[in-house]
Amino acid sequence: GESVGLHLPTLSVQEGDNSIINCAYSNSASDYFIWYKQESGKGPQFIIDIRSNMDKRQGQRVTVLLNKTVKHLSLQIAATQPGDSAVYFCAENIGSNYKLTFGKGTLLTVNP
Amino acid sequence: NAGVTQTPKFQVLKTGQSMTLQCAQDMNHEYMSWYRQDPGMGLRLIHYSVGAGITDQGEVPNGYNVSRSTTEDFPLRLLSAAPSQTSVYFCASSYSPVGYEQYFGPGTRLTVT
Repeated sequence: GESVGLHLPTLSVQEGDNSIINCAYSNSASDYFIWYKQESGKGPQFIIDIRSNMDKRQGQRVTVLLNKTVKHLSLQIAATQPGDSAVYFCAENIGSNYKLTFGKGTLLTVNP
Repeated sequence: NAGVTQTPKFQVLKTGQSMTLQCAQDMNHEYMSWYRQDPGMGLRLIHYSVGAGITDQGEVPNGYNVSRSTTEDFPLRLLSAAPSQTSVYFCASSYSPVGYEQYFGPGTRLTVT
């Protein structure tokens, strides 16, 4: 079946560096994508979203890039801070389908 | 606003027991959903609701029942708990699943022995 997946299960960066977390999706009909952050012991927290009619969207210190040609999504975090340490999930939705499909997650560790 | 609240935070059940996980939101959101999260996996949708009186199945609905009698509450019922239902359960709400931020509750950690 169709699924959302991640290239790397773990990512370790130095404080101040930029982080890039990747996500691959296989359903070309997916038209809405979301990135979530989950800290240990807490529920997921919305970071940023993007629709399929966009290639890039920026938030505060975060940028999401969407490459529909290769079905690839990435989350870039600028000047990564220790507070960014968490598991990051991408999720996809298709049209009027109310079912979000989540990837397995990437653990980001920021070293001081 | 309290946001999305879930009770209990922790629960241990024996196989065959039943229980209800509670979820409430005070943001007047129409869309609510239940997910389970297992180690090393992303969240999987169990059931969802697009408004009071309307529910539908997600990816992994077997063994779970839901109802939505009010906008605020969306309880998840386990009729006969099984060890395979050991997981962390999250409730979420939003104005819509698409284009609007979903707010997640703190989770309920359930162990079935």
